[in-house]
Amino acid sequence: DQQVKQNSPSLSVQEGRISILNCDYTNSMFDYFLWYKKYPAEGPTFLISISSIKDKNEDGRFTVFLNKSAKHLSLHIVPSQPGDSAVYFCAASTDRGSTLGRLYFGRGTQLTVWP
Amino acid sequence: DTEVTQTPKHLVMGMTNKKSLKCEQHMGHRAMYWYKQKAKKPPELMFVYSYEKLSINESVPSRFSPECPNSSLLNLHLHALQPEDSALYLCASSQVAMAVTATPLHFGNGTRLTVT
Repeated sequence: DQQVKQNSPSLSVQEGRISILNCDYTNSMFDYFLWYKKYPAEGPTFLISISSIKDKNEDGRFTVFLNKSAKHLSLHIVPSQPGDSAVYFCAASTDRGSTLGRLYFGRGTQLTVWP
Repeated sequence: DTEVTQTPKHLVMGMTNKKSLKCEQHMGHRAMYWYKQKAKKPPELMFVYSYEKLSINESVPSRFSPECPNSSLLNLHLHALQPEDSALYLCASSQVAMAVTATPLHFGNGTRLTVT
């Protein structure tokens, strides 16, 4: 059962425009949400995170928004650059229950930024 | 450059072979992880070590045997693997194995394993 869902397998955006990557989750116990970026032949690289007590976190060109009532988060990249082309994974975790240390990943969205 | 180092980068092994994957980090992290990733799929958790003790085993077959000799090293011993075990094996570390207070996982670049 996929607890973290990224329903768009791919997204294509022109350089300079905004990229919006979406993620939905089903488990209301998730406390912590993260975005990872992955280039081919490399491991995932941490990008940005947000705690469930916040609704927005910003780091340079990257902003993550969290809507707990809708169980939805999104990653905004402004402006998009060709070097942002990669697979983006949404992930979530919780300290509660027996899931300590476990990250739940979505299937990823391939972002392509074209000149 | 990643701060989590995995060796080897590529490994081809037969079904009767015994091999080991190695992972090293020097960030002082006390939680280390093994993930498996197949093409076009998300990483799947295999094992979690917290303070050098195995805290999570995601019902991984016994042909995969993890070992954490110290807080900086994590090994994955492989024996009698099947072709379907071919995948990218990712090691990761974090300050602690907690969600809210933890720093995020730092991944290595993985070992691309092919079982023939």
